[in-house]
Amino acid sequence: SQQGEEDPQALSIQEGENATMNCSYKTSINNLQWYRQNSGRGLVHLILIRSNEREKHSGRLRVTLDTSKKSSSLLITASRAADTASYFCATRPTGGGNKLTFGTGTQLKVEL
Amino acid sequence: SQTIHQWPATLVQPVGSPLSLECTVEGTSNPNLYWYRQAAGRGLQLLFYSVGIGQISSEVPQNLSASRPQDRQFILSSKKLLLSDSGFYLCAFPREGNADTQYFGPGTRLTVL
Repeated sequence: SQQGEEDPQALSIQEGENATMNCSYKTSINNLQWYRQNSGRGLVHLILIRSNEREKHSGRLRVTLDTSKKSSSLLITASRAADTASYFCATRPTGGGNKLTFGTGTQLKVEL
Repeated sequence: SQTIHQWPATLVQPVGSPLSLECTVEGTSNPNLYWYRQAAGRGLQLLFYSVGIGQISSEVPQNLSASRPQDRQFILSSKKLLLSDSGFYLCAFPREGNADTQYFGPGTRLTVL
């Protein structure tokens, strides 16, 4: 079964607004990652946050991690139409080797 | 630099026909390789992973099999396709500089009719 569950499943915003996506997971993790997928394409890694980190930034991306609540959020600031894509969280469970478990994704649409 | 190729890009096959999807990687040696399937509008499900030539681990029981005949080649196969095998198949391997993350191929869209 999928460990990660993102919400919302779909999000539609106007260009310039911020987009926030959430991810919940069930087991203890080594790290949590976010990936982006444009329609019909492969996934692209965006950012990784380790279990001992609480917040991380990369450009317009901000990721938070709350291990006590087993949840993470991805914030995209000042969104652009080109940010339209599906976003997935993926967890690397503690003791899970090199395998990632992906969530079900949030479909983001940024309108002009 | 690391690159990953998958072919074919799209495939339409009748139920009961065989399947062979290929993934090849460049710019790395002895990588872990992964096959995922993505159903329409869903997340990724790990099907198989391989830590070396001839070494395959299956994550879920199913109608598919995988093989790794060469270090940089990973093949996904089926003897008889089912309707439920339809989906988007992605191959991946650890990214250079951060083996915790994965680099994905462009995928193969399989439709079984």
